This record gives sequence, C-alpha cells and structure tokens, in this order.
Amino acid sequence: AQSVTQLGSHVSVSEGALVLLRCNYSSSVPPYLFWYVQYPNQGLQLLLKYTSAATLVKGINGFEAEFKKSETSFHLTKHSAHMSDAAEYFCAVSGANFGNEKLTFGTGTRLTIIP
Amino acid sequence: DAGVTQSPTHLIKTRGQHVTLRCSPISGHKSVSWYQQVLGQGPQFIFQYYEKEERGRGNFPDRFSARQFPNYSSELNVNALLLGDSALYLCASSFGLEAQYFGPGTRLTVL
Repeated sequence: AQSVTQLGSHVSVSEGALVLLRCNYSSSVPPYLFWYVQYPNQGLQLLLKYTSAATLVKGINGFEAEFKKSETSFHLTKHSAHMSDAAEYFCAVSGANFGNEKLTFGTGTRLTIIP
Repeated sequence: DAGVTQSPTHLIKTRGQHVTLRCSPISGHKSVSWYQQVLGQGPQFIFQYYEKEERGRGNFPDRFSARQFPNYSSELNVNALLLGDSALYLCASSFGLEAQYFGPGTRLTVL
C-alpha cells in the first residue's frame, strides 16, 4: 500500500522568496515519486520525478526536490518565487515495478504568491 | 508533439444517464490510466490499461468501466450517473514506468 501526506493545504510566500512544499510518503515497495502542478481548470503538468537515480531531482521552472529515504520525504523547493508559480501542487507516489504503476496523490497544496 | 487529448472538454448529464469519455495517448505510449478528481481533492485512480488489457482498478463501483483500443486510445464509461460522479476526469498516458502525462481533463457535471 502507498500513501502521500502533504503538510499544509495552503502556503503563501512573497515574490522572490523561497518556496517549500512538504511531502511525506509511505510505501511497501521501492517508490517512484512525482510532483505535479495544476493551474485552474487545467490538467496536471509534471514538474519533476524521482525514479531511483539521483536523490536531488531538478525539474521545470526552477523547481527541485530531494528524496530522503530516512525521512520518507520528497519536499519541493524553489529558491525564488514568481507570480506565475501560483497554482495547486500535488505530490504523488507509485511503485517502481510493473503492476504497481498507479499514482497515489496527496490532497494538494495551494501556493499563493504575494506581490 | 501532441500531448494527451481528451474529449469532450465539458459535459452536463442528469442522474441515471450514461456517459462516455475519450482519451488519445501520446504517440508511442501504450499505457493509459484514468483518474477522478473531485473539487478540492487530489486525483483518485480508476483504471489502468496496457496493451488493451486491464492492469489495475481502483476502488470504484461496477458502474465504471473502460476499454483500450488497438490504437491505444481509451474510453471510460459511467452508467447510472449519480450526483457524486460530478468531477474532473483525467486521462494519463505513459511509456514504461517512469512518468504519467496527463491530458486537460473532461469536466463532468451531473444534475
């Protein structure tokens, strides 16, 4: 069984400030981990993925995340927030083997950028 | 390259009706998955198909069914619609295990 917990349903940061969105996972098998972003009335866009290579993963739009097995965490960061980053962010986990590909999502974190 | 496409974009149905949603995967992707996203929540897994075979099913009633065609496109069918079926239905395609790429979704409203 797999699950994801996203701490903080709403996060507000000032433009230019550090963005930190938290994600903790639980998985009975080696996990693959993902961050997706959703803009209003749109589908999900893949930001970045961890698939058992480097533990520090860089994604699009300046986002990155670090896989920490000891802490079962996969937090998303961006050093300088931009107004265009305002959106809903979802962390998701899947198994790292065929038969366990389904994505299990967290409840999401709404990011607001303060001008 | 074209991404995942879904049709229709929006749909309004009444309780008890049937609905069919369609999805075309990214070229070369053989796996299609369906997710339901209720307003304010994360997507929930409904089905996964690979090479026309059902590979996984989420905790949804038998009113939900799906299939995948030889060209890897897919349909999601929902019978006897309930108000609670109102949601954004997302289709995702993948090549192998590494990532699923989502379409724009179909917004279903049940009145």
